[in-house]
Amino acid sequence: LAKTTQPISMDSYEGQEVNITCSHNNIATNDYITWYQQFPSQGPRFIIQGYKTKVTNEVASLFIPADRKSSTLSLPRVSLSDTAVYYCLVRPAGANNLFFGTGTRLTVIP
Amino acid sequence: GAVVSQHPSWVICKSGTSVKIECRSLDFQATTMFWYRQFPKQSLMLMATSNEGSKATYEQGVEKDKFLINHASLTLSTLTVTSAHPEDSSFYICSARGGLAGVDEQFFGPGTRLTVL
Repeated sequence: LAKTTQPISMDSYEGQEVNITCSHNNIATNDYITWYQQFPSQGPRFIIQGYKTKVTNEVASLFIPADRKSSTLSLPRVSLSDTAVYYCLVRPAGANNLFFGTGTRLTVIP
Repeated sequence: GAVVSQHPSWVICKSGTSVKIECRSLDFQATTMFWYRQFPKQSLMLMATSNEGSKATYEQGVEKDKFLINHASLTLSTLTVTSAHPEDSSFYICSARGGLAGVDEQFFGPGTRLTVL
C-alpha cells in the first residue's frame, strides 16, 4: 500500500481557502486517492475521491497532477465547523482495507 | 447516504470484565465490516475485517482471543473486548461496506469510547 505524507497541522482564518497537500510517491497504477474528515470523538466521513486531474463536489475539490505522486484537497471558504482532522488515503479500487496515516489537523480561527 | 450506528456510544467498565460493542448498518446490507481503534491524538488503526458468516481477519498484533468479532448478519457486527484492562481504553470505530451499487467507500459509525478502570 502506498504510504502518504501530510502536514501534521494547519491553521486558517475563517473565509479563506485551505489547501492540504498529500504526498504519495509510491502510488500504483490502480490506486485511487480518497480523503476523509474526522471531527473529535466521531467516525471519519468520506469527503472526496479521485484518480487523476480534478474532482469537485459540493464540499471540496481534489487536484491530482499528471504524475499522481501528490494530491491537494481544497476547501473553499472554510468556517469554524471545518476544524477537524483530514486524512489522505491511497488504495486500489475495490480494496477492502483502509490504512489511515497521521492526517492533518486543521484549525480554523475566527 | 448510508448510515452506520454503534452502541453504546460510551462505556465504562472495571478491569477484568468483558464489553460488547455493536455496529449496525441501518439502511444497507454490509457484506464487509471493519473495526478500528483510535488512541487520543492518534490515527485510526485497523484491527480486523469481517465478512458476514465467516471468521474475521485480524491485523498483525491484534489478539483474536481478546477482541472477539462476530458478523452474524448483513447488518450487524459485534466486537467483544474480553477481560478488558486499562490499556484497552480507546475509541473503537466500525465501518461497513457493500450493498450500494457503484459506491466504493466505507461508511463509518460514530465510534464507541471505552474506558476501563
